[in-house]
Amino acid sequence: AQSVTQPDIHITVSEGASLELRCNYSYGATPYLFWYVQSPGQGLQLLLKYFSGDTLVQGIKGFEAEFKRSQSSFNLRKPSVHWSDAAEYFCAVGRLSNFGNEKLTFGTGTRLTIIP
Amino acid sequence: NAGVTQTPKFQVLKTGQSMTLQCAQDMNHEYMSWYRQDPGMGLRLIHYSVGAGITDQGEVPNGYNVSRSTTEDFPLRLLSAAPSQTSVYFCASSYRYEQYFGPGTRLTVT
Repeated sequence: AQSVTQPDIHITVSEGASLELRCNYSYGATPYLFWYVQSPGQGLQLLLKYFSGDTLVQGIKGFEAEFKRSQSSFNLRKPSVHWSDAAEYFCAVGRLSNFGNEKLTFGTGTRLTIIP
Repeated sequence: NAGVTQTPKFQVLKTGQSMTLQCAQDMNHEYMSWYRQDPGMGLRLIHYSVGAGITDQGEVPNGYNVSRSTTEDFPLRLLSAAPSQTSVYFCASSYRYEQYFGPGTRLTVT
């Protein structure tokens, strides 16, 4: 069975500082990997996704993530955070369902707090 | 283009009551799903559908029913609410592995 681990429940970063959120996955084949962001009281929004090819993927809002097969990781990074980045971030891995479509398994999330 | 809409936004039920959470999308996506979000547990898949008339169970289907009579609508039914079903429920539709989430329904069962 596939699984996703986000080892950091809560991270606090100063505005302007760099950010790295960790994600490790367990999956028997080449995974489809995603990062979603959830602002308070909102649904989830896709930040970026990895299917194949270049292991460094760019997303919206200045985020990027790097797929490292040898480490089973897909860490999210941003060089300089803004106060508006405060949110909860979810890593997810996709797999095929019984009908041939995707099913996502989510990590437990990392809550990001930005201090001035 | 409204995307994915969910109603109601908030609901309080008593144990044993039944209700239906509504979900609709206007993007003509075939794939739709329901998740519940609980603190410290991320999102867990309840049921999903790959098109009208086709549904399947996810990780936590017990106590919930779904049906899909049209491409647009995917309601989630709680047959006999229990306090363990207190949660935030998200509906999503997807296309090419990108899932579009609704704003959620916060359900409390007392």
